[in-house]
Amino acid sequence: NAGVMQNPRHLVRRRGQEARLRCSPMKGHSHVYWYRQLPEEGLKFMVYLQKENIIDESGMPKERFSAEFPKEGPSILRIQQVVRGDSAAYFCASSPDREQFFGPGTRLTVL
Amino acid sequence: TQLLEQSPQFLSIQEGENLTVYCNSSSVFSSLQWYRQEPGEGPVLLVTVVTGGEVKKLKRLTFQFGDARKDSSLHITAAQPGDTGLYLCAGVGNEKLTFGTGTRLTIIP
Repeated sequence: NAGVMQNPRHLVRRRGQEARLRCSPMKGHSHVYWYRQLPEEGLKFMVYLQKENIIDESGMPKERFSAEFPKEGPSILRIQQVVRGDSAAYFCASSPDREQFFGPGTRLTVL
Repeated sequence: TQLLEQSPQFLSIQEGENLTVYCNSSSVFSSLQWYRQEPGEGPVLLVTVVTGGEVKKLKRLTFQFGDARKDSSLHITAAQPGDTGLYLCAGVGNEKLTFGTGTRLTIIP
């Protein structure tokens, strides 16, 4: 049973471009969470999704950020018009009910 | 805003020594978890504590949950270089995790 998969592992974008981060949950997991980690800091909750539904997006910036978890395929975290402050590690976690299992993260660098 | 403060922020000790790291919250959580994160990887769950006053042991690691369920500690006995990493506590509530500020532990051989 493969763990949570995230791709790409590293992503470099120039200011103003779009970043798309993908997360494939563990088999059988219907809950997906996205967290952001700035250098030398803990993880900050961004959004909680179930299939085709956003349950809690209280940690998402109001602009430029969106997330989806379609009926088929991976969950996508999309950042439009990236700025340098978006540079961080973005982690996805999936869960069958309560315990969350984390992926290896996508490290986004904005030049 | 729920906030979890961890102390110390950085800790560097010799192999074989004992250490304790702390996680203090301004709020009560339904449960509290401890994670270890290696460089370039996601956090890995070590333990979940649920009941106030609970103590759990995982080999050389001992986890305590405060009576008021607002603070926790992690004690490592006879630290080894393999214990090096970022230790994060996380409060569980409202279907999401609130992570602490982290303790970066380095064990010197």
